Amino acid sequence: GDSVTQMEGPVTLSEEAFLTINCTYTATGYPSLFWYVQYPGEGLQLLLKATKADDKGSNKGFEATYRKETTSFHLEKGSVQVSDSAVYFCALQKGPTDKLIFGTGTRLQVFP
Amino acid sequence: DSGVTQTPKHLITATGQRVTLRCSPRSGDLSVYWYQQSLDQGLQFLIQYYNGEERAKGNILERFSAQQFPDLHSELNLSSLELGDSALYFCASGGQGIIDGYTFGSGTRLTVV
Repeated sequence: GDSVTQMEGPVTLSEEAFLTINCTYTATGYPSLFWYVQYPGEGLQLLLKATKADDKGSNKGFEATYRKETTSFHLEKGSVQVSDSAVYFCALQKGPTDKLIFGTGTRLQVFP
Repeated sequence: DSGVTQTPKHLITATGQRVTLRCSPRSGDLSVYWYQQSLDQGLQFLIQYYNGEERAKGNILERFSAQQFPDLHSELNLSSLELGDSALYFCASGGQGIIDGYTFGSGTRLTVV
């Protein structure tokens, strides 16, 4: 079945370091791909999305490119801040009324 | 404010009891999704309703049930509660005809003692 695999956390970085969180997917057809972020004590918020191959989603300095050839959607940020500390979830969705399939989440901890 | 409203925010109850969690979707959204988030199991999809009809079922226990009403709000009923049911329960809405992910509510934290 369709699935999403994320790198295990926690990812621990110093402020201003470069961030990569790996995400790969398995799916038939052409899913849309998403990154969600969950700050402590809050619900999930959509961070960015890409709906077709080679699309790049971006928001708040975060970027991810939909790579169909490697079935990947890695999250990157050039310079992380303490305020980026959160859990990041990669997800895919096949159709507009289909459920989101989430990865297990990756906790990011950024220290000053 | 995401536009998805969940009540209550916190719930503490005893084992064996029954509780009802409520979700009002974002205006215009027809789908409601329920997820359970626990420390050791991550984010687990429970069930989806679309315009009042059950659309997809995930890892939902038989002790749990849900419904979506004509005004599109949804309720998740949890019965015969066990300690292991303690978790965050999220509702999300979507399904306006575009693939746009969902919008999540802020969750209900259930503690079973």
